[in-house]
Amino acid sequence: DARVTQTPRHKVTEMGQEVTMRCQPILGHNTVFWYRQTMMQGLELLAYFRNRAPLDDSGMPKDRFSAEMPDATLATLKIQPSEPRDSAVYFCASSLGAVREQFFGPGTRLTVL
Amino acid sequence: ELKVEQNPLFLSMQEGKNYTIYCNYSTTSDRLYWYRQDPGKSLESLFVLLSNGAVKQEGRLMASLDTKARLSTLHITAAVHDLSATYFCAVLHNTGNQFYFGTGTSLTVIP
Repeated sequence: DARVTQTPRHKVTEMGQEVTMRCQPILGHNTVFWYRQTMMQGLELLAYFRNRAPLDDSGMPKDRFSAEMPDATLATLKIQPSEPRDSAVYFCASSLGAVREQFFGPGTRLTVL
Repeated sequence: ELKVEQNPLFLSMQEGKNYTIYCNYSTTSDRLYWYRQDPGKSLESLFVLLSNGAVKQEGRLMASLDTKARLSTLHITAAVHDLSATYFCAVLHNTGNQFYFGTGTSLTVIP
């Protein structure tokens, strides 16, 4: 049963700390997306990659957020330093190309105190 | 920037009734997606609509796309409680590099 996995599922940290979230896309999927969901802003696209190359990261605050794909089986999203306003659920999704449906991971619920 | 608007934002309907959720978007696209999200859960893909006039049906849900009107609809037939969830539409800009979600429609089906 192929699925997107994300770790950790929950993270509580203090303001100023570094946070790293990891995503394993479905094997064979070449497009990976990072989203953030909050009650106020809804679902926002932060960044996405195709064949490990970043295609769009315009939704990501550049000063503190970074997204990478070290290899085809791992995508990371880092926040350094974290702030309380970063508290949200972060979803990773993967697909076979941008046009195809996206399969979402279970999300990482981040709380920054 | 591409804007995607859904209405209604909140919908409470009785079991057995029919209703339609609307998704309007502001710029050219012929790629539209519908997702479902249960409370506290992740998003699940429902439909992928890839051309003008596309219609897809699954159970009590039917989605359609009119690219000329920049409108997609999600029609619910004879609602049942299990359909209670938040429904999102999402649009891929024709450049292929920008992907936008609507605000979501929270549906509650009442017995």
